[in-house]
Amino acid sequence: ETGVTQTPRHLVMGMTNKKSLKCEQHLGHNAMYWYKQSAKKPLELMFVYSLEERVENNSVPSRFSPECPNSSHLFLHLHTLQPEDSALYLCASSRLPGMNTGELFFGEGSRLTVL
Amino acid sequence: DAKTTQPPSMDCAEGRAANLPCNHSTISGNEYVYWYRQIHSQGPQYIIHGLKNNETNEMASLIITEDRKSSTLILPHATLRDTAVYYCIVRVDSNYQLIWGAGTKLIIKP
Repeated sequence: ETGVTQTPRHLVMGMTNKKSLKCEQHLGHNAMYWYKQSAKKPLELMFVYSLEERVENNSVPSRFSPECPNSSHLFLHLHTLQPEDSALYLCASSRLPGMNTGELFFGEGSRLTVL
Repeated sequence: DAKTTQPPSMDCAEGRAANLPCNHSTISGNEYVYWYRQIHSQGPQYIIHGLKNNETNEMASLIITEDRKSSTLILPHATLRDTAVYYCIVRVDSNYQLIWGAGTKLIIKP
């Protein structure tokens, strides 16, 4: 138990569906992250929120839309995805950078399959 | 952030110390060395980090060379549950980005 909870753990969706991934952290952190992990590829940072403001957006297609309503919750809204978007999506949280905060706490991930 | 180089895979006998090397020859003075591991189908787990001095916690020890160009993660008494991919990352403390490589796949054998 890392203090970061992701739901659902598994999701299968068609290319025309709209779905959302949810992340919740109980650690009192102020930064939250979405990472993508495709098969046999390194983790790729997608989005970073710091104090509920988006501070990183690494050229992610617009079919992925993040939302951070408060410092404990993070969503990733999915629409018109492609089969190549099938991957493990990982949420993480941390204290703010500059406070010796390299320690990220990850959730278990949401395994997404796009048909 | 500087890049790191790790061997793609290693084996270690259960109960022995596992020593995982990492080269980071272009590391800057203000970059920390972090280690994470990822057990199959789970999220990565933080292990330890350091700047200059050797560090030890309940999971592992981190040995950083004096010139800071390489480091070694030591799992003192490896168990089968330590089988995972281990990632060495260097990062400036003020950055959000961690540059993840392929890591080292450590297999602990009975």
